[in-house]
Formats: sequence, structure tokens, C-alpha cells
Amino acid sequence: DGGITQSPKYLFRKEGQNVTLSCEQNLNHDAMYWYRQDPGQGLRLIYYSQIVNDFQKGDIAEGYSVSREKKESFPLTVTSAQKNPTAFYLCASSMGPGVMGAAFFGQGTRLTVV
Amino acid sequence: GENVEQHPSTLSVQEGDSAVIKCTYSDSASNYFPWYKQELGKGPQLIIDIRSNVGEKKDQRIAVTLNKTAKHFSLHITETQPEDSAVYFCAGSTDSWGKLQFGAGTQVVVTP
Repeated sequence: DGGITQSPKYLFRKEGQNVTLSCEQNLNHDAMYWYRQDPGQGLRLIYYSQIVNDFQKGDIAEGYSVSREKKESFPLTVTSAQKNPTAFYLCASSMGPGVMGAAFFGQGTRLTVV
Repeated sequence: GENVEQHPSTLSVQEGDSAVIKCTYSDSASNYFPWYKQELGKGPQLIIDIRSNVGEKKDQRIAVTLNKTAKHFSLHITETQPEDSAVYFCAGSTDSWGKLQFGAGTQVVVTP
């Protein structure tokens, strides 16, 4: 089945630890995105990537880092510098320019700081 | 940058009635407007989208209208059913890659 796979579904982090959230897509999409969702709020863009080995900061990039070594993969690291990391994290992908493609989302990772 | 506002934040309707959610956007360069449905604990699912060269689009019980002059667009759900209960998000995009700016969401509750 084609789609976007996020893992793990639930993740617990201790104070001061870095954690990495996985996102893989087999849709052959060029662009990938990470969004953060807090309770009762909309989605805010953390980072996005339009091509392998290139990525751009979104609206709330502080305390996060990403890499795009493969077209299919776009992992997100939540660093200890992120002061309030507890949230629902969503990965998405879209086809790319000239297509005005819709963005499709994974099922999310819920991160909790303990 | 683009700013998308969404109203209402909650909407309660009787089964069989219609539901309307409205969004406004600030950037006149926005040219793509998708709508997503999110069920509890899941990722958003694209339900319908509209591009700036179209004024209205319909898919079964769901329709979206776009007024470029007024910079607003709306989602219409007719003959609502209990399974329509979810959070709905509107979004706008100014680029061809699909980078989206989201509204804050509308919690729709359909009561039998």
C-alpha cells in the first residue's frame, strides 16, 4: 500500500534527552513536511524539504532538527533545546512543483515528556 | 506570510442538517485551498480541495466555494451523518509545492 508511515505512534522522552521521530513515504513525492499540533489548535509547520539534502525552516523550527538523505525518509529530531516538546507530530508529503499537489499525512506520533 | 482564520471553532448540528465552515485568508497570492478531516488520534485526511481558477467544487455531500475577491472559502456538508463528527481544518497555499498554512480547526458534532 502506498502511503506515509510514522513511527513510533507513542514516544516518551525524559527531560534533557533528544528523540528522533521517523517518517517514511513510498508515494515518490518530492516534498516532505513536519507539523506540530497542540490540543485544540491547528497545525504549525516545523520544517520542510523539497529535495534530497535540502530543507527549510518553518514557523517553529527552534529546538528541532531534520535531515533528508533519501527521498523516502525525513526524520525529525526533537532536541533538549525544545522547551515544550509534548505534542502530536505529523509528517506529510506532496508531489512537488507544477502539480499543485495535495499534502497527505501520516498517522502521527504523540510525544510526551516525562 | 499567509494567515488563515477559521470559524466557528465548534459546530453542533442535528443529523440530516447542513454544516458550513468558513475560512478567510490574507495573502492574495494564495491559489490552493484544501480541507482536511481529522478524527481523534489520527492524522488529517484530505476530503476536498479547490484551486483559485475554480469557484465551486462538489463531491457527493461535500462542497467547497471560493470567493477570491473577498478572500474567503467555505466547506458545506449536506445531509450530515454521525460519522461526519470530527475536526475539520481549512488551509491555504501560495506555492506550487504544497506548503500549507492551516486554520485553527472546527470541531463538528453531529447528534442523532
